[in-house]
Amino acid sequence: AQSVTQLGSHVSVSEGALVLLRCNYSSSVPPYLFWYVQYPNQGLQLLLKYTTGATLVKGINGFEAEFKKSETSFHLTKPSAHMSDAAEYFCAVSSNDYKLSFGAGTTVTVRA
Amino acid sequence: GAGVSQSPRYKVAKRGQDVALRCDPISGHVSLFWYQQALGQGPEFLTYFQNEAQLDKSGLPSDRFFAERPEGSVSTLKIQRTQQEDSAVYLCASSLGARGYEQYFGPGTRLTVT
Repeated sequence: AQSVTQLGSHVSVSEGALVLLRCNYSSSVPPYLFWYVQYPNQGLQLLLKYTTGATLVKGINGFEAEFKKSETSFHLTKPSAHMSDAAEYFCAVSSNDYKLSFGAGTTVTVRA
Repeated sequence: GAGVSQSPRYKVAKRGQDVALRCDPISGHVSLFWYQQALGQGPEFLTYFQNEAQLDKSGLPSDRFFAERPEGSVSTLKIQRTQQEDSAVYLCASSLGARGYEQYFGPGTRLTVT
């Protein structure tokens, strides 16, 4: 079984500041890890994923995440926040080929 | 191109009514998934189809929930005798291959049971 913990249900950042969203997981087997973004009244959009290989993963819209096995973490970062980054972000883990287990989500607010 | 579409987008049902939620996946996508997202929570897996075969239905909360994908494309999630605890957003996702590494999500159907 696997589970995901996202630290902080709400994060507020200033425009141009670093965005850091924390995700820790538990998995009995090597995991596949994902970050999704959800804008109001829209479906989830895949930001980036880690399956195998390089542990630093780059995604869309300037986001990146690093898989740290020793810390069981997959934190999401963006060097400079933009107003359009305001949304809800979900970390997810899969230990098989299809079933995603999601965290509770983190809502990001960007201050002008 | 067209993404995953779901209908209706909003559904209000009285307790005890049956509802049917439809998902149109991206054309050619082999895998289809249903998730339930309660207010303030992340999505939770309900069921998984590979073509018309339902390979995993371990997340369906009760026998009132039933999903089908008879021709391997459109899928319907049916909830019988709805209860208030069924109120949630129901998300459908599809992926190209048999694996769900890149799941494309629809906008969801928000079900409110009164």
